[in-house]
Amino acid sequence: QVQLQESGPGLVKASETLSLTCSVSGGSMNTYFWSWIRQPPGKGLEWLGYINYIGSTHYNPSLKGRVTISVDTSRNQFSLKVNSVAAADTALYYCARGSLLGSTLVFDYWGQGTLVTVSS
Amino acid sequence: DVQMTQSPSSVSASVGDRVTISCRASHDISSWLAWYQQKPGKAPNILIFDASSLQSGVPSRFSGSGSGTDFTLTISSLQPEDFATYYCQQASSFPYSFGQGTKVEVK
Repeated sequence: QVQLQESGPGLVKASETLSLTCSVSGGSMNTYFWSWIRQPPGKGLEWLGYINYIGSTHYNPSLKGRVTISVDTSRNQFSLKVNSVAAADTALYYCARGSLLGSTLVFDYWGQGTLVTVSS
Repeated sequence: DVQMTQSPSSVSASVGDRVTISCRASHDISSWLAWYQQKPGKAPNILIFDASSLQSGVPSRFSGSGSGTDFTLTISSLQPEDFATYYCQQASSFPYSFGQGTKVEVK
């Protein structure tokens, strides 16, 4: 059974860099699209971006170039960095596996989520 | 960017009711649409992909339909475990995007 687990600081100061890591167990990282998705408290879901196993990335332009996703397949991990954070970046951050089901890229395995609060 | 708009934002229903949730895309997304269920304190769970294909292990009371810009998720007979928030997600173009969610509440 594939499992994902986020780790990283739960509190980040405004203007600093948010850094999270997702550890993947129970399956290979090959052929999938390793994603970060966030959910502000009480709100909906926002896709931040993904990386595949060879390091190709796509990011959501709404974050204005502040996002970097990297992968370390030797450790079965991928990571998220969001720089210059502000209060609006306070959210529950999920890592998720993107899979092609039929013709659609869907998120079929998710971590439990980690709450990151940006403090002033 | 493709904007996804769900309606209604919430629906009150009873066990056994038929529930229908709509999702509209701002541009044609063919059938590149998925539906998720999210329960409080949990990550979302994939229900439907390719607009109408049921994910393995998902009860057959869930069904999806539509193509282009208009999509529907139907729960044929609502069960107690189905009270949750439902999201549509498009995978037609970057950035991938979700609807704002529809909360199915107890009537």
